[in-house]
Amino acid sequence: QKEVEQNSGPLSVPEGAIASLNCTYSDRVSQSFFWYRQYSGKSPELIMSIYSNGDKEDGRFTAQLNKASQYVSLLIRDSQPSDSATYLCAPPSGAGSYQLTFGKGTKLSVIP
Amino acid sequence: EAGVAQSPRYKIIEKRQSVAFWCNPISGHATLYWYQQILGQGPKLLIQFQNNGVVDDSQLPKDRFSAERLKGVDSTLKIQPAKLEDSAVYLCASSPRAGGLYQETQYFGPGTRLLVL
Repeated sequence: QKEVEQNSGPLSVPEGAIASLNCTYSDRVSQSFFWYRQYSGKSPELIMSIYSNGDKEDGRFTAQLNKASQYVSLLIRDSQPSDSATYLCAPPSGAGSYQLTFGKGTKLSVIP
Repeated sequence: EAGVAQSPRYKIIEKRQSVAFWCNPISGHATLYWYQQILGQGPKLLIQFQNNGVVDDSQLPKDRFSAERLKGVDSTLKIQPAKLEDSAVYLCASSPRAGGLYQETQYFGPGTRLLVL
């Protein structure tokens, strides 16, 4: 059974602060990782993907991947109230399966 | 580019009734997924199609759920008979193809909210 664990929320940060979201996974074969954002009542939308160890930056978002530790994180710099949403970590279920196993998500609230 | 379309957006039924959901993926996308998302949980994969063939339906409760993707384009998911615990959002997603080393991005539709009374 592939498992994905995300830090329990809700996570509250003040506007302008850095929000740190964490995710650990059990499947050592996972090659790529996705972070999806889901606003309340909406469907998930992709915000970041990362395939290699290290950091990947896209605007205010930085994804960090450590395959040896089976750990991936998402940092949101200069958090804005519009970042308030649930963030879902999604490593694939295994090489060649082309399926995603989603974590329960971490709910982020950015306080103005 | 049009996104993934789903209908209906909302459905309320009584337990033991049947219900069907429809999904039209992004044009040209070979792979289609149906997910169930219960409140407070992440999406759970129910079934994956590659063109018009089933790749994985291991988590589909086959005693009551069925799905098809005729002609490899749009798809329907049916529940018959519905139970209270089927109340959830049913999400359809598509991706261009299943091939290569890396998982491709999945694009989600708006979902169908089902309430079983």
